[in-house]
Amino acid sequence: GNSVTQMEGPVTLSEEAFLTINCTYTATGYPSLFWYVQYPGEGLQLLLKATKADDKGSNKGFEATYRKETTSFHLEKGSVQVSDSAVYFCALSVRAGNNRKLIWGLGTSLAVNP
Amino acid sequence: NAGVMQNPRHLVRRRGQEARLRCSPMKGHSHVYWYRQLPEEGLKFMVYLQKENIIDESGMPKERFSAEFPKEGPSILRIQQVVRGDSAAYFCASSPLAQGDEQYFGPGTRLTVT
Repeated sequence: GNSVTQMEGPVTLSEEAFLTINCTYTATGYPSLFWYVQYPGEGLQLLLKATKADDKGSNKGFEATYRKETTSFHLEKGSVQVSDSAVYFCALSVRAGNNRKLIWGLGTSLAVNP
Repeated sequence: NAGVMQNPRHLVRRRGQEARLRCSPMKGHSHVYWYRQLPEEGLKFMVYLQKENIIDESGMPKERFSAEFPKEGPSILRIQQVVRGDSAAYFCASSPLAQGDEQYFGPGTRLTVT
């Protein structure tokens, strides 16, 4: 079946450290891949996406590359800030009958200390 | 352009009461999704609706839960005879396209059952 696996958190980093949050997936067909972010007390926001193999999504200094050969979509940022503290969700979009459905990872909590 | 609106933001109900959660999608969006977020369990899809139609309710519990998206007015998620296990954050998302890959989330309703 279709599924998304994220590395378990919490992840705790110091400001300006390098961030990697791993995400791997299993899917039939050719899914689109997403990273959403949830800041404390808020709903989820789309952070970046990639729709085909080798695409790189990027936003706010975050990047993720769609790797079909390793079925991965790892999130990276070169220098994190305290304001990046949030929960990060990896997701994929697959066809379900005549519709498409988002399949979600469990989320990875990131805490950045000054 | 207002985002997805949800109300109330916080709702306290005693066991056995009814909970009504409202969601107004972004302007121009006619597709609404409801999710439940429980601590340690991540985001779980509940139901996908278009105006006056339930498209996919595969994530809805079979009893006590119902959802609607009328021609006029907000989408409503109704939980009858609430139990403590219903305590969670409930998020609504909308998209402009059918099962759109990008979903825009509201701030959520945090339901507490006492």
